[in-house]
Amino acid sequence: VIWMTQSPSLLSASTGDRVTISCRMSQGISSYLAWYQQKPGKAPELLIYAASTLQSGVPSRFSGSGSGTDFTLTISCLQSEDFATYYCQQYYSFPPTFGQGTRLEIK
Amino acid sequence: EVQLVESGGGLVKPGGSLRLSCAASGFTFSNAWMSWVRQAPGKGLEWVGRIKSKTDGGTTDYAAPVKGRFTISRDDSKNTLYLQMNSLKTEDTAVYYCTTGNPYCGGDCFPSWGQGTLVTVSS
Repeated sequence: VIWMTQSPSLLSASTGDRVTISCRMSQGISSYLAWYQQKPGKAPELLIYAASTLQSGVPSRFSGSGSGTDFTLTISCLQSEDFATYYCQQYYSFPPTFGQGTRLEIK
Repeated sequence: EVQLVESGGGLVKPGGSLRLSCAASGFTFSNAWMSWVRQAPGKGLEWVGRIKSKTDGGTTDYAAPVKGRFTISRDDSKNTLYLQMNSLKTEDTAVYYCTTGNPYCGGDCFPSWGQGTLVTVSS
């Protein structure tokens, strides 16, 4: 099983800020990484797959980077609707696994 | 528009059984790899298992905590996915989501999700 460490667990920011969330793997996974956004009481939404490919319909202020063991999700200019919990997920090896989540809250 | 609608959740005693359904529309269900993902209250996401399309063999895979207790099946004539859960434990308490698999991720990232159905295992 591949272990994933997301950081930080909690991130406080303001509208208009640029923020980054990190996801580190216990072993290399090439670019087999996805990012999701989840709002309270709602299902997760896929933002990015293949580490940096934006899912259709996702705003361009979201971007992903990295390969191997270290990955980053960046939101370039926070909007009010971006305050949510974010999860990374690897699909390099079975079973697919998720990070523990990063809650992005309003400062 | 892709729609996934889960049903069948509820309260069940430890050791009991429950069957969840997921009605799919807006895409060619028979071609899709489908997965179940769950989320315990206040916790993160956990992949439960998946079923491939029949053209890809129709095989199933499961996470270790549910293997041997849960069974995923599909009825392509009804565009419906199922999750049969037996020998339920309190730690199976979660919202269960039905998801599609993105072929660009080998079926193992999830672009579409249902609204979820809550399963509570408690005496």
